[in-house]
Amino acid sequence: RKEVEQDPGPFNVPEGATVAFNCTYSNSASQSFFWYRQDCRKEPKLLMSVYSSGNEDGRFTAQLNRASQYISLLIRDSKLSDSATYLCVAPQGGSQGNLIFGKGTKLSVKP
Amino acid sequence: DADVTQTPRNRITKTGKRIMLECSQTKGHDRMYWYRQDPGLGLRLIYYSFDVKDINKGEISDGYSVSRQAQAKFSLSLESAIPNQTALYFCATRGATGTPSTDTQYFGPGTRLTVL
Repeated sequence: RKEVEQDPGPFNVPEGATVAFNCTYSNSASQSFFWYRQDCRKEPKLLMSVYSSGNEDGRFTAQLNRASQYISLLIRDSKLSDSATYLCVAPQGGSQGNLIFGKGTKLSVKP
Repeated sequence: DADVTQTPRNRITKTGKRIMLECSQTKGHDRMYWYRQDPGLGLRLIYYSFDVKDINKGEISDGYSVSRQAQAKFSLSLESAIPNQTALYFCATRGATGTPSTDTQYFGPGTRLTVL
C-alpha cells in the first residue's frame, strides 16, 4: 500500500457546488495530517492541519477517520478561485517524522 | 519579504554542467528539505537536514549533493546535470514537530530547471 494515496481527478465542478476529496494513508501511528493547496507552477501552501477528528475553516472542512485511515477535505460553495491541486500530507513512519505528500487531486471550478 | 527564498527561479543548462540551487530562510527553522516535482509523480524528497551537522538522503538522492552552510542556508548541487533532472525543485523548512503551531512545512517559490 502506498503511503499516501489520492484520487488524481480532475474534479470539474460548477461554482457553488460542494466537492469532497479523500485520501488514504498507511502509517497507522500518524498523529497529524495536512492539506496543502498548490496552484499551477507555484509552491504548495498549507490549507489546513488536522490533529484530531477534524477541523473546519470557513467553507473548508477536513475530517480524519483513524479506524479506516483516511482523511477527507470538503469544500462547500466552490469558488472559481478554489481551482487548484490539493495535496494530502501525512507523516512518514519512523523517528524522523518526515512528511509524505500525496500526488494531489486537481480541482477545476467552472462558471 | 518571503520567508523562504530560492535562487535562481529559472535555469536552463546543458548536460554535464554543474548546477547549484540555493535556498535561504528567515523563519529560524532547524529543518530544511529539498524536493523535486515532476508531472504525475508528485513531490519527491531529495535530501533533508535537521541542523548544520545533520544531513540525510531522501528517496531520490542519486545525482545530487547538498550543503548546509548555516541554519538559514541549504543548497542543492547537481554535479553533472542530465536531462532527466529537468524538474521543478522546491526547498522547504519546518519547525519542531509535535506542536501544531510549528509543525507546518513551508515551501520556497521553486526553481524551474531545464537540462538540455
